Amino acid sequence: EDQVTQSPEALRLQEGESSSLNCSYTVSGLRGLFWYRQDPGKGPEFLFTLYSAGEEKEKERLKATLTKKESFLHITAPKPEDSATYLCAVHAGGTSYGKLTFGQGTILTVHP
Amino acid sequence: GAGVSQTPSNKVTEKGKYVELRCDPISGHTALYWYRQSLGQGPEFLIYFQGTGAADDSGLPNDRFFAVRPEGSVSTLKIQRTERGDSAVYLCASSPKGRGEQFFGPGTRLTVL
Repeated sequence: EDQVTQSPEALRLQEGESSSLNCSYTVSGLRGLFWYRQDPGKGPEFLFTLYSAGEEKEKERLKATLTKKESFLHITAPKPEDSATYLCAVHAGGTSYGKLTFGQGTILTVHP
Repeated sequence: GAGVSQTPSNKVTEKGKYVELRCDPISGHTALYWYRQSLGQGPEFLIYFQGTGAADDSGLPNDRFFAVRPEGSVSTLKIQRTERGDSAVYLCASSPKGRGEQFFGPGTRLTVL
């Protein structure tokens, strides 16, 4: 069974304090790994797609990286507006193209 | 509109009632997905449409849940004989094809009393 585990469950940072969120996955062949941001009361907002180990993507203060077993979302010099729940999802081989399996999310709070 | 829209934004119903949740995907997106999200959890896959047909309905929890997309655009998720355990946020997403990133709507919060 495909599994996605995110850690930590919650992370509190001071503004400017860089850190990383982890997404570990166990799937039967990875077709893609996705990072989303979700604000309270809203749907997930797409951030990145990673397809192969060694791949990296960047957007403003965020950088996503991928290995064969896990992905990291690095947050550099975060600001309070980066506070949100960050979700990781995988598209696994052996499932339909439509099905994403999500982790439970990491709740990030950035204090000014 | 530019994004996925879902109506209603909130739905309160009583146990045993029938509900319909609507999703308008991004124009031109052929693939449409339904997920369910419980508090503190990530979204859980329900069903995926490619065009008018359900390409994968393996996530529907039981036969009380049904979804349609008759013209390949708008979709309706239908829940019969609602139970308190059906309370959750129901999310709809769409994508240009049946692969790659999915773009989510704001969700419908369903509360079954």
